[in-house]
Amino acid sequence: DGGITQSPKYLFRKEGQNVTLSCEQNLNHDAMYWYRQDPGQGLRLIYYSQIVNDFQKGDIAEGYSVSREKKESFPLTVTSAQKNPTAFYLCASSLTGDIQYFGAGTRLSVL
Amino acid sequence: GQNIDQPTEMTATEGAIVQINCTYQTSGFNGLFWYQQHAGEAPTFLSYNVLDGLEEKGRFSSFLSRSKGYSYLLLKELQMKDSASYLCAVRDGASAGNKLTFGGGTRVLVKP
Repeated sequence: DGGITQSPKYLFRKEGQNVTLSCEQNLNHDAMYWYRQDPGQGLRLIYYSQIVNDFQKGDIAEGYSVSREKKESFPLTVTSAQKNPTAFYLCASSLTGDIQYFGAGTRLSVL
Repeated sequence: GQNIDQPTEMTATEGAIVQINCTYQTSGFNGLFWYQQHAGEAPTFLSYNVLDGLEEKGRFSSFLSRSKGYSYLLLKELQMKDSASYLCAVRDGASAGNKLTFGGGTRVLVKP
């Protein structure tokens, strides 16, 4: 079945540690996105990528990094520079100019 | 930039109708989306409006007025499973990348 897979479902980060969240899609979508959602809030865009080997910062990119080496994959690294990383992270993909579809999310907490 | 407002919370009774309003201010409008999100889950797509008027899809309808910067999502014949957050999102036509800006979401509680 086609879809967007995020892993892990839950992740814990120690202070000073970098962690990487995985996002894979087999929908043949060109564009991929990372959002952060804090409790009771809407989604805020971290990074997005329209094509392979290209990505742009969203509204809250500081403390995060991404790569887009393959069309199917758009991993997000939460670096130690992100001082408040506890949140629900959602990955989405779309055909260019079309509806965005979301993965099941990764819940990141700090130990 | 974008500014999107929607009520924080609404309560309604099973079988009733609820209307969730969304107002937006945008530098370049290229479509408005509604998503449903159950607690702890991913948002799922409900509807899309780019032209003025009403789009109906079963129990759910969405309306858009571009001149007023206004949309609403109408949920009819409410069921308990409709208890969720409803997110309004506007696509920015002034920038590349199909970027969406989301409102804070409206939590709908359906009571028996």
